[in-house]
Amino acid sequence: DAGVTQSPTHLIKTRGQQVTLRCSPKSGHDTVSWYQQALGQGPQFIFQYYEEEERQRGNFPDRFSGHQFPNYSSELNVNALLLGDSALYLCASSLWGDRGYIQYFGAGTRLSVL
Amino acid sequence: GEDVEQSLFLSVREGDSSVINCTYTDSSSTYLYWYKQEPGAGLQLLTYIFSNMDMKQDQRLTVLLNKKDKHLSLRIADTQTGDSAIYFCAETSTSGTYKYIFGTGTRLKVLA
Repeated sequence: DAGVTQSPTHLIKTRGQQVTLRCSPKSGHDTVSWYQQALGQGPQFIFQYYEEEERQRGNFPDRFSGHQFPNYSSELNVNALLLGDSALYLCASSLWGDRGYIQYFGAGTRLSVL
Repeated sequence: GEDVEQSLFLSVREGDSSVINCTYTDSSSTYLYWYKQEPGAGLQLLTYIFSNMDMKQDQRLTVLLNKKDKHLSLRIADTQTGDSAIYFCAETSTSGTYKYIFGTGTRLKVLA
């Protein structure tokens, strides 16, 4: 049973560019959440998708957008990249309404903005 | 507001017990979690506790919850060098949002 998979593993971009990160949830899960983890910090919630709609959003600008596909996989898009967007981006999957609201995390995509 | 705080570092000797502490501010917290992150890796769920519980034990791990003081702790018995990692406390609330609020993490170093 595959867990949460994210691609790519590493990415280097320059300021002003756009990036797309991808996530496949754990088998049987229908909800995907995205988090940004800056160096030395805890993960910060970006947004959550369920039934192909954004259900919750954290304190991130509109440059951060996402999408969920019918097979529950998800993409995170970041436009007009800034140096401060350099971070580890974590995807987490869960089952909507599951008692415990447990989220399982992927290994992350490390984005470096130069 | 929502905030989760942890001490930054903890160093213990192999075989000793480790206790990692966490405080949170959201009184509507429903579930509290402990995750482990090894270098270059994602987050691994260790255990979680529902807010109506005081304690939960899972093999070498014991979670204690003091809801009155909004204090959560993780005790690791017989700590091994493989336990060296960053440990994150997280909380979520069912009052309209299911996002996790994470602490800044506690770096545990186990000395041989």
